[in-house]
Amino acid sequence: GQNIDQPTEMTATEGAIVQINCTYQTSGFNGLFWYQQHAGEAPTFLSYNVLDGLEEKGRFSSFLSRSKGYSYLLLKELQMKDSASYLCAVVARGDYKLSFGAGTTVTVRA
Amino acid sequence: DAGVTQSPTHLIKTRGQQVTLRCSPKSGHDTVSWYQQALGQGPQFIFQYYEEEERQRGNFPDRFSGHQFPNYSSELNVNALLLGDSALYLCASTEGMNTEAFFGQGTRLTVV
Repeated sequence: GQNIDQPTEMTATEGAIVQINCTYQTSGFNGLFWYQQHAGEAPTFLSYNVLDGLEEKGRFSSFLSRSKGYSYLLLKELQMKDSASYLCAVVARGDYKLSFGAGTTVTVRA
Repeated sequence: DAGVTQSPTHLIKTRGQQVTLRCSPKSGHDTVSWYQQALGQGPQFIFQYYEEEERQRGNFPDRFSGHQFPNYSSELNVNALLLGDSALYLCASTEGMNTEAFFGQGTRLTVV
């Protein structure tokens, strides 16, 4: 199986930057996803990394290092609406499923 | 364009009963996966259906079964419900080998 670890909770101030780390151990690697999930709602896709490096999409960026089994999601210019759970998910080689971490709850304070 | 739709949104069942949850995938998507999400946890993979066949299964007992119809919609059935089956059940659809999954709002199942 896959071991996926991410911090349980993070708190930051509106307008600040927060970095959510994710480490994984998997038998073969075929991509890493970040999803955002507001309480009581469906997870929504944020980013996908399959090659090493940084993918930037507006205020959100995601980084991947396959050799280190490490990714991070960077949220810039935080807004109150960014308060949510952020889920890291890995697809192993030969797999069809997403293997999720437990999620990181981000609270943005005014 | 409707996204992934699930029904019902909420459900309360008694231990030992059976339940059927339904999912319609996003238009153009042919693959449906089901996940169980306990409170404060990430979603756990139950199984995936493609071309009306179960393509991959997670670590769930045989009490969990499913079906995919020719129009790509899917059902999740759970027999002999246990209190521990209380969770949010999420359906996700993808198009072919595209791994970006779109999730439905989920069905909140409470077993009492």
